[in-house]
Amino acid sequence: QKEVEQDPGPLSVPEGAIVSLNCTYSNSAFQYFMWYRQYSRKGPELLMYTYSSGNKEDGRFTAQVDKSSKYISLFIRDSQPSDSATYLCASSSGGSYIPTFGRGTSLIVHP
Amino acid sequence: EADIYQTPRYLVIGTGKKITLECSQTMGHDKMYWYQQDPGMELHLIHYSYGVNSTEKGDLSSESTVSRIRTEHFPLTLESARPSHTSQYLCASKLPGDGNEQYFGPGTRLTVT
Repeated sequence: QKEVEQDPGPLSVPEGAIVSLNCTYSNSAFQYFMWYRQYSRKGPELLMYTYSSGNKEDGRFTAQVDKSSKYISLFIRDSQPSDSATYLCASSSGGSYIPTFGRGTSLIVHP
Repeated sequence: EADIYQTPRYLVIGTGKKITLECSQTMGHDKMYWYQQDPGMELHLIHYSYGVNSTEKGDLSSESTVSRIRTEHFPLTLESARPSHTSQYLCASKLPGDGNEQYFGPGTRLTVT
């Protein structure tokens, strides 16, 4: 079992929809949680970063961590075709400088 | 926005050639990383460095080597390229502090014929 699991998709939604992207993890020591967006043939771009449990909002994006269920979510409101990309979640424990990445979920937002 | 650069962006090379993929960052980050990523697949850590003269191998067995003589520069070298090395290579660096937010370069897409 991988430490960070993520459904590869693709997830296809109409423009304007609320998108929910999810990951599960198995390592109870994970405290840092990141979401990256990766466009085709580009490097990943850091979107959101959270520490421990709770929510964090940045514009149309909300990251949510539930440590009791080891569940990480990214919500995108009012999705746009430009949001079409692969979204990777990543987690790490305190004292480790090497995050564990999920394999990414491909999102397609169609006009 | 992070300033991390990779050259070349695309490289097609024949089997047996020696190649060096360049990675530079201008932010003074101590920690740098090399990942390999095949299309649609996950990132695999191949090398990392926590500072000058510090290098370690990652989870993915790799025939490449790295060096870290200067903080801003973290090149990756393949002594003898093979078709199995065809992939995208991504360089990243990490902000100081306890968190693990990494900033990635644009990647080098390598094709070995």
